[in-house]
Amino acid sequence: DTAVSQTPKYLVTQMGNDKSIKCEQNLGHDTMYWYKQDSKKFLKIMFSYNNKELIINETVPNRFSPKSPDKAHLNLHINSLELGDSAVYFCASSQGTASSYNEQFFGPGTRLTVL
Amino acid sequence: GDSVTQMEGPVTLSEEAFLTINCTYTATGYPSLFWYVQYPGEGLQLLLKATKADDKGSNKGFEATYRKETTSFHLEKGSVQVSDSAVYFCALNDYKLSFGAGTTVTVRA
Repeated sequence: DTAVSQTPKYLVTQMGNDKSIKCEQNLGHDTMYWYKQDSKKFLKIMFSYNNKELIINETVPNRFSPKSPDKAHLNLHINSLELGDSAVYFCASSQGTASSYNEQFFGPGTRLTVL
Repeated sequence: GDSVTQMEGPVTLSEEAFLTINCTYTATGYPSLFWYVQYPGEGLQLLLKATKADDKGSNKGFEATYRKETTSFHLEKGSVQVSDSAVYFCALNDYKLSFGAGTTVTVRA
C-alpha cells in the first residue's frame, strides 16, 4: 500500500565507496524527484524526471547519477562518497510536470551516513 | 531566482495555544504555494496549498491565505495539540518546488 517507497532506510558506509538508493512509486505518477535534506533540515531538490526523461538537474556533483528504468522507479547512485554527502535523501513523485501545482508525495527518506 | 523565507524556530508552545508561522516568498511568475509537514522520522506530507492570489488553503485546523500584495503565506492554527509537533515547511512551485528552511514546532501538554 506504500505510495512512495525507498530502500534502504538507513545506509552507513565508508568514504570513497559507491552506493545506490532505490525509489519506487505505485501512484501512476509521471514525475519523480530526489531531494537532499541536511542536518539543519534544509531541503533542496537535486533531480527531477518526467516519463524517464531528466528535466531538472540542480547544481549537484556529477558523482551523483540518477537512473530511471521506467516511470515508476528512480534510483540514485553515488560514486566516491564524501563526508558531506551525509544527509537524508527523499524521493518524491507527482502527477504531471514539475511546473504544475500538483502535490508531491514523499517517500520516508534514506538516512545516509558517510564515515 | 524564486525563494521562500520562513520564520526561524524552534517554536515551543503549550497545548491549545495559537500558532503562527510566517512565510514570505520571492517569485518572478505566479507560483502555487504550499505548506508541508514532516513528523519525526517521516517524509513530508502536504498540509495545505493555494494556487492563486487570495486563495485560502485549510486542513486539520490549519489555514493559510495566499497574499500577493504582501507576498506572504502565513500558517495559522487556533488551538494546537501535542500531535502537531513537527517541522513545517513553506514552499512555492513555479517550475520546481523551492522550500523554506523549515520551522520546528514543539507542543507541550
